[in-house]
Amino acid sequence: AQRVTQPEKLLSVFKGAPVELKCNYSYSGSPELFWYVQYSRQRLQLLLRHISRESIKGFTADLNKGETSFHLKKPFAQEEDSAMYYCALGNSGGSNYKLTFGKGTLLTVNP
Amino acid sequence: SQTIHQWPATLVQPVGSPLSLECTVEGTSNPNLYWYRQAAGRGLQLLFYSVGIGQISSEVPQNLSASRPQDRQFILSSKKLLLSDSGFYLCAWGRAISGNTIYFGEGSWLTVV
Repeated sequence: AQRVTQPEKLLSVFKGAPVELKCNYSYSGSPELFWYVQYSRQRLQLLLRHISRESIKGFTADLNKGETSFHLKKPFAQEEDSAMYYCALGNSGGSNYKLTFGKGTLLTVNP
Repeated sequence: SQTIHQWPATLVQPVGSPLSLECTVEGTSNPNLYWYRQAAGRGLQLLFYSVGIGQISSEVPQNLSASRPQDRQFILSSKKLLLSDSGFYLCAWGRAISGNTIYFGEGSWLTVV
């Protein structure tokens, strides 16, 4: 079975401070990890995916298979980063592809 | 470009009444379709997914059912709603390829009273 754990329900930082949202996963196959974000009154949308190795809005995430983690990081948080963040794990099920989400972390960036 | 629509956006229904939430996708063919429920403190829970017309997989036992009568239409239903069915329901679509992004609709707020 696949599982995603986000240990922090709430995370509050000040503008300009570094931020790290933790994500750990459990999966016996080859994992595919994503971060989704939901800003206030907007739909849930993809932030980044590990296979792209990209930086979006200053955020990065590195897949650590040894620690089974995919933590999301940003060196200098901005107020507009305040949102709900979900870590997600994709199975390698071919046509039966689906995403399992964590419970989410609500990030608040204070001025 | 592809778009996804779901409706109604909000719904207040009495206990024991039926439910029908509808979702349609445009601009693609043979998508995988998903119904998720978003509940406070429980995150996003996958309820159903479908890889094709008439093919429904249920992830959790519950009071709800799903149907896919057409390629790009996905319906979430209940014959008799329970209070515990209240929540925010999200439809999503994606290509049937591992590693692909899943795209979400705007969601439907259901309150059972």
